[in-house]
Amino acid sequence: QTVVTQEPSFSVSPGGTVTLTCGLSSGSVSTSYYPSWYQQTPGQAPRTLIYRTNTRSSGVPDRFSGSTLGNKAALTITGAQAEDESDYYCMLYMGSGISVFGGGTKLTVL
Amino acid sequence: QVQLVQSGAEVKKPGASVKVSCKASGYTFTSYYMHWVRQAPGQGLEWMGIINPSGGNTIYAQKLQGRVTMTRDTSTSTVYMELSSLRSEDTAVYYCARGVGAFYFIPDYWGQGTLVTVSS
Repeated sequence: QTVVTQEPSFSVSPGGTVTLTCGLSSGSVSTSYYPSWYQQTPGQAPRTLIYRTNTRSSGVPDRFSGSTLGNKAALTITGAQAEDESDYYCMLYMGSGISVFGGGTKLTVL
Repeated sequence: QVQLVQSGAEVKKPGASVKVSCKASGYTFTSYYMHWVRQAPGQGLEWMGIINPSGGNTIYAQKLQGRVTMTRDTSTSTVYMELSSLRSEDTAVYYCARGVGAFYFIPDYWGQGTLVTVSS
């Protein structure tokens, strides 16, 4: 079974830039997986940030951007703010209507 | 504006079933797929499946095949997720989320979540 991989944790300084990645246990992530990214703070529902690799969802600040980086999908936060401290999940489309989430990355801003 | 309002928290015994509802408003109900995603305490997100409210066709995660059933009622713009043979590992917050138009397999707008607790 294919596993979607993410860094368990990451830290960034306020105003800094951080790139979180989303990979596969076997194989490379391409745009054909339509990678999407979600932000979740404790006790809240997830919020969709990015879909189709690099399309920002409505209302998402442009400091969030998506891309592919080598054999992974990537979420970059440029100019991180305190309120960006959250859990971030990627999701990949496996085809035939089936999607899989990664394990999530806990981002600390300090 | 798009709104997804889910039913309230549930407490169930092992072996029982639970049915969670998600009432949609602010858009044409039959034009967008609906996902169900769950999150166990302290754990990550788990994609459960998807339903097309237009035709009622469904796709489920392999892990839940045989235990999960997603249905819809077009007259009330409501989708339902029923999970049977509940076990303690099913304790989680369950979310519905609307798909992104043509890219139906990507959830965008999310409900507030419903906590289901399975305990004897």
